[in-house]
Parts: sequence; C-alpha cells; structure tokens
Amino acid sequence: AQTVTQSQPEMSVQEAETVTLSCTYDTSESNYYLFWYKQPPSRQMILVIRQEAYKQQNATENRFSVNFQKAAKSFSLKISDSQLGDTAMYFCAFMKKPSGAGSYQLTFGKGTKLSVIP
Amino acid sequence: DAGVIQSPRHEVTEMGQEVTLRCKPISGHDYLFWYRQTMMRGLELLIYFNNNVPIDDSGMPEDRFSAKMPNASFSTLKIQPSEPRDSAVYFCASTVAGFIAKNIQYFGAGTRLSVL
Repeated sequence: AQTVTQSQPEMSVQEAETVTLSCTYDTSESNYYLFWYKQPPSRQMILVIRQEAYKQQNATENRFSVNFQKAAKSFSLKISDSQLGDTAMYFCAFMKKPSGAGSYQLTFGKGTKLSVIP
Repeated sequence: DAGVIQSPRHEVTEMGQEVTLRCKPISGHDYLFWYRQTMMRGLELLIYFNNNVPIDDSGMPEDRFSAKMPNASFSTLKIQPSEPRDSAVYFCASTVAGFIAKNIQYFGAGTRLSVL
C-alpha cells in the first residue's frame, strides 16, 4: 500500500513571496503519477499540477512548480509570487500507473493549510 | 462541459434517516469515484466504478453504505440508517482511461452532510 505524508499542517507566506510545501511518499511501484490539489474555502478540489514519475523534468504551471526527487520519494510544491487567492488547503496525492481495468485510485496526504498574508 | 455535478450541496438530517447523495460525472468519463473527507481521516476513497460496474468497494465503512451507478451519467451514495459519525464532506470524481485524460480526476464541489 502507498502512503503520502505532508509534514506541515499549516504554513503562511507574505503576498508576493515564495513558499514551498513538502510531500513525501512511500511506494514499491516504479511507474506512478503525483499530483497537487488545491482546496480553497469554497471546498472545490482543483488540480494544481501533475508529475509523471518516469519524467525527470520537473513539472511547472505558471507560478507553480515541483521539485520531484524520485530516489528520495519527495515531491514538493513551490508557489512563486504568492497571491491572496492561493490561500487554501493543499493536498499531495499518489496514483500508481493504471493497468487494465483497474486502479486509478488516488492516495492523499492529510494536507497543508496555506495562508497568504497581505 | 459543466464538470462533475453533485447534489445536494448541503444535507442536514437526523440520526436514523436515510440519506442519498447524487453525482453526475463528466460526459464521456468511464471511471467514477466516491471519497469522504473528515478532519480525522482526511480524504478516503470509498468506492469506484468503471463502466458503471463497481470495481473496489473496500473503502466503504460498513453495510449502512451502498453505492450504485445505474448508467454512465448518474451515481448515488446511500447511507441507511445515518449516524452522527457519518458527518463529513462527500466528493464524487470522474476520469477517463487513456492518454488524453492524463490520469487526472476531476472533482465535484462535494456534499456536506451533517447528521444530528
């Protein structure tokens, strides 16, 4: 079974600054996907960024980027130029590579509550 | 596309009552997932379907919970009888197998259930 650990229950950052959220995972799989989801106060789960384990290049989406360290089983999220709208819970999630009809299951971490301070 | 649609948005009920949560996945998606979110346990997968067939229900907490998917555009999660410990946010998500979807699950807005 896979486990995902987010060791920072809460974090805060000043507007326009940069913040990094940590995530580690444990798996015996070699092919998998990693995700960061954002959950603002509206409760909607929104995909922030996605990483394929077989790609060495770190994924980026505008102000969001990841530092993927496969050997260390680490997948951190960096938010640059933080904005008030980035205030949310952030969840790291793991999915092993689907095969056949089975398993697109996501395993989530417990989340990090990020507050962006004006 | 309107995305994954869940109803109701909020549900308040009394212990012992039957509760039915509803979900409409994104058109064309062949996988549907039900998750439960609580402070104590975080986000947990309850059950998922592929082509309307339940594939894994090992996350369903007990026999009081049941889920159905009578067709590709509709699923229900039923709790009967409900208990206060069932209070949580219930999410539905969908995806489609294959390269195009990039294994991304799209979530509905969730149903906040309060059992008094």
